[in-house]
Amino acid sequence: NAGVMQNPRHLVRRRGQEARLRCSPMKGHSHVYWYRQLPEEGLKFMVYLQKENIIDESGMPKERFSAEFPKEGPSILRIQQVVRGDSAAYFCASSPSRDRGYEQYFGPGTRLTVT
Amino acid sequence: AQSVSQHNHHVILSEAASLELGCNYSYGGTVNLFWYVQYPGQHLQLLLKYFSGDPLVKGIKGFEAEFIKSKFSFNLRKPSVQWSDTAEYFCAVNAGAGRRALTFGSGTRLQVQP
Repeated sequence: NAGVMQNPRHLVRRRGQEARLRCSPMKGHSHVYWYRQLPEEGLKFMVYLQKENIIDESGMPKERFSAEFPKEGPSILRIQQVVRGDSAAYFCASSPSRDRGYEQYFGPGTRLTVT
Repeated sequence: AQSVSQHNHHVILSEAASLELGCNYSYGGTVNLFWYVQYPGQHLQLLLKYFSGDPLVKGIKGFEAEFIKSKFSFNLRKPSVQWSDTAEYFCAVNAGAGRRALTFGSGTRLQVQP
């Protein structure tokens, strides 16, 4: 019973590079959520996607960050021109449907370090 | 905007001690409330949730939480902790019609000493 998969688990990027984080939801889940956890803080919501649709991106920074969830394949969170302040743990969660959006199952996270 | 406060950042207890972790939220409307746990090296797991009905909810591993609407609180309790309860605990709230985003507290790190 595979849970939510995220890769890579650890990612190191130099300032100015691009970071791509991938999330494969649980089998049968079509809704994905991305959260960011800065050091010593709780998780903060970034974006909520359904396949081929962005439902709620109210937590996404206006620049450099984008997310997609294509019809086939994992959801991708993309950070362009990374800066040191982007260093954080990025968690993905999935749910079976919008109606059951409160049942969010979390992945192990990707720890991004920007040097 | 809604917010969640967890007042205890780090709690140290001996085994068999009782546990209560505080959680307060700021939102005047209907809320859904959650406690998640993150064991060392593992990902977030749902401990328990409250949507409606009995304000005292029971979760896994002997945990329970009580929703007190007048106090905007959802405190987590366990009568007798074990060393294996050492973990970080996060309170989360979902509020606002149609929204699915969770707002998390900053977490409480629990250390249980044998």
